[in-house]
Amino acid sequence: DSGVTQTPKHLITATGQRVTLRCSPRSGDLSVYWYQQSLDQGLQFLIQYYNGEERAKGNILERFSAQQFPDLHSELNLSSLELGDSALYFCASTPGGGAEAFFGQGTRLTVV
Amino acid sequence: SQQGEEDPQALSIQEGENATMNCSYKTSINNLQWYRQNSGRGLVHLILIRSNEREKHSGRLRVTLDTSKKSSSLLITASRAADTASYFCATDADQGAQKLVFGQGTRLTINP
Repeated sequence: DSGVTQTPKHLITATGQRVTLRCSPRSGDLSVYWYQQSLDQGLQFLIQYYNGEERAKGNILERFSAQQFPDLHSELNLSSLELGDSALYFCASTPGGGAEAFFGQGTRLTVV
Repeated sequence: SQQGEEDPQALSIQEGENATMNCSYKTSINNLQWYRQNSGRGLVHLILIRSNEREKHSGRLRVTLDTSKKSSSLLITASRAADTASYFCATDADQGAQKLVFGQGTRLTINP
């Protein structure tokens, strides 16, 4: 158990809909990363937050947004969903400063 | 774009043999990390090597780092069937931004 909790584990939704993925980082970790992994692909970095503030942005679509709350949990919002958004979405947390990252088990999103 | 590129993309060996995977990256780094992912699961941290280190060991794992060539290798000795997984390298590519960027991974299959 990494200590990082992601909910829900599975999500099936229709095109055009909006979903929210939730991540609770390890206790004490200030930094949260979001990644997208399509089938048999590598991890695409989406966005990083550190102590509530956006720290770095990757290939995140404008239809996607994220935030980190004062209790340090984070949410990734995906809207106007397309079939191509079907993927595993991972959250990872670190204390900060380039330390090892601890990953959640992911949310498998299927858009139909 | 991906910072790290693993090579080979896929590797299949017999149990007991050694497995070597390589990672190349593009920009200067603070550290380089290797992770393992069992199919559809979250990533698990294996080892971190700092930019001022050249080699590091952890159990059956040996990691080398050549900053002049911007490359790293992961050696798994005396492989076991349970080592079957995908292996990813990750770098903290931008100083200050601290985003953790992953390569496409090497899919390792250990045949009994």
